[in-house]
Amino acid sequence: EAQVTQNPRYLITVTGKKLTVTCSQNMNHEYMSWYRQDPGLGLRQIYYSMNVEVTDKGDVPEGYKVSRKEKRNFPLILESPSPNQTSLYFCASSLSVGETQYFGPGTRLLVL
Amino acid sequence: AQTVTQSQPEMSVQEAETVTLSCTYDTSENNYYLFWYKQPPSRQMILVIRQEAYKQQNATENRFSVNFQKAAKSFSLKISDSQLGDTAMYFCAFMKHRADYGGSQGNLIFGKGTKLSVKP
Repeated sequence: EAQVTQNPRYLITVTGKKLTVTCSQNMNHEYMSWYRQDPGLGLRQIYYSMNVEVTDKGDVPEGYKVSRKEKRNFPLILESPSPNQTSLYFCASSLSVGETQYFGPGTRLLVL
Repeated sequence: AQTVTQSQPEMSVQEAETVTLSCTYDTSENNYYLFWYKQPPSRQMILVIRQEAYKQQNATENRFSVNFQKAAKSFSLKISDSQLGDTAMYFCAFMKHRADYGGSQGNLIFGKGTKLSVKP
């Protein structure tokens, strides 16, 4: 089944404790992206990757890191999480830029 | 910088009726993509419709159609014969065309969403 998977789906952590949210797609897509969703703000793009080894900042990249070492995976790293990073996070992928993006199920993160 | 505005935070419609959700955007680009995504209570993001700005014809997908007015920078979504399963948040989104260089090609910008309730 063609899909985007994210792990974990739910995470509670404490301020400053490094964490990684994984994202994987099995559709051989070139483009991958991370978004956060907050009430009243819609979805905002954190980082995106046009293809392997090419990443770029979205609208809210502060406090996040990404890497794209292989086509199928695009992990999101929070080196020192803070409470303002409490949010619902989505990973998405598409065949190429501008094509339909397929979203993962979301990761709900709570930083205490 | 590009912006996307959805001026209706909430809307409701009776089952079987037609509803239109508005979206306007601001850009100096000539080529770009526009999308409508649906997010039901399950939180899953699902594409409803995609439009390429250079195409004059309005995109349609079954009961969903758009009214794309490029000069007015407007991209409204019409849902015909509304069904209970259409109850969801609807997000309009904008992306520059891949042929336009200068960075930010992959930057997808969302509006803040319209919460649609379909009532029986």
